[in-house]
Amino acid sequence: DAGITQSPRYKITETGRQVTLMCHQTWSHSYMFWYRQDLGHGLRLIYYSAAADITDKGEVPDGYVVSRSKTENFPLTLESATRSQTSVYFCASSALAGQPQHFGDGTRLSIL
Amino acid sequence: AQSVTQLDSHVSVSEGTPVLLRCNYSSSYSPSLFWYVQHPNKGLQLLLKYTSAATLVKGINGFEAEFKKSETSFHLTKPSAHMSDAAEYFCVVSDANDYKLSFGAGTTVTVRA
Repeated sequence: DAGITQSPRYKITETGRQVTLMCHQTWSHSYMFWYRQDLGHGLRLIYYSAAADITDKGEVPDGYVVSRSKTENFPLTLESATRSQTSVYFCASSALAGQPQHFGDGTRLSIL
Repeated sequence: AQSVTQLDSHVSVSEGTPVLLRCNYSSSYSPSLFWYVQHPNKGLQLLLKYTSAATLVKGINGFEAEFKKSETSFHLTKPSAHMSDAAEYFCVVSDANDYKLSFGAGTTVTVRA
């Protein structure tokens, strides 16, 4: 089925480790986004991408790295995980700016 | 810059009764407005969208919302709540043709049998 898939759904890791969250969409949408969702903060944009090889920072980019070599994939890497990065991470995509974003089911990341 | 205020953090209704979720927005330009629903351990699912066409917008699962420019509101309604409507609802605004979304804080809906 067409859609947006995130993997893994759940991840537990330790502080200082590198971890990569994967996001794959089958719509060939130009825009892709990474958000984190935390109690008391709602959804906050980490990074976004307007097209392959074009990425830009969102509201809370520190400690995260993204890449987009192919239109359909948008991995998010925590280079050295910290406890403050424990969160639920959502990937989203949209065809154009201003169009509705379509969300994956999220990755629940716990950093011990 | 745009922003959203959801006026109720929690709404409790009985099954079969109407649901009203209130949302006020501010936007510098012509806004695009969305309502999303989030069930536990799931991502956000688009319920409906307003993008400067008809002011009364019909969405999925019997939901609809009315855009009122004079009141800067975009309230979500459903005539008859179902148990499966229990979830978190987000009102979202963006300036037209802008990638950036502004999310409301969310309204938790509880449906009593």
